[in-house]
Amino acid sequence: EVQLVESGGDLVQPGGSLRLSCVASGFPFTRYWMTWVRQAPGKGLEWVANINHDGHEKNYVDSVKGRFTVSRDNAKNSVYLQMNSLRVEDTAVYYCARDRDDMDVWGKGTTVTVSS
Amino acid sequence: SYEVTQPPSVSVSPGQTARITCSGDALPKRYAYWYQQKSGQAPVLVIFEDSKRPSGIPERFSASTSGTMATLTISGAQVEDEADYYCYSTDSSGNHNWVFGGGTKLTVL
Repeated sequence: EVQLVESGGDLVQPGGSLRLSCVASGFPFTRYWMTWVRQAPGKGLEWVANINHDGHEKNYVDSVKGRFTVSRDNAKNSVYLQMNSLRVEDTAVYYCARDRDDMDVWGKGTTVTVSS
Repeated sequence: SYEVTQPPSVSVSPGQTARITCSGDALPKRYAYWYQQKSGQAPVLVIFEDSKRPSGIPERFSASTSGTMATLTISGAQVEDEADYYCYSTDSSGNHNWVFGGGTKLTVL
């Protein structure tokens, strides 16, 4: 079964850090770009970052550049999102998705809450 | 920054045809994708590359593009189609500036 499972979401104070993980199974992980998408409470979807097959190309939405870092470990079929200098406005459900330009497989998401 | 624009809401009765539009300057050059998100669930891809339907998506879902407008059509909308629908695309720069539209709440009742 093709599956993505996110983890690592938590309650963190403004200025804090968090690392999200996403483990893939059921498909050849190294053939795919991977993307992180977030959704703030009651809001729409926002593309956050993506990473290519070998991890050498990474792209970010302007609002997270310099604070978030996407990475992957193909030996572990995993993609990560390191989030530093967190802000209240980063509060959201974070989804990882398999990316072929479209995102055809999504995880169930992990919740990040930034609050004092 | 690039934007694609959707109406906030669309409402139809069961069995009617629902149309959700998405406007973006780069749509003549870039594909549009459509996602369905039901309450409390992860998004599901319903249309890719402007008009292609993934396996498992009902035939009542179709889409097209014309100029700077993409349209998702649900022919004979069902109560279970009630959801938020998001258009997704990128600008013409090739710089991975991917964006979602603001989403359209489809009400079927």
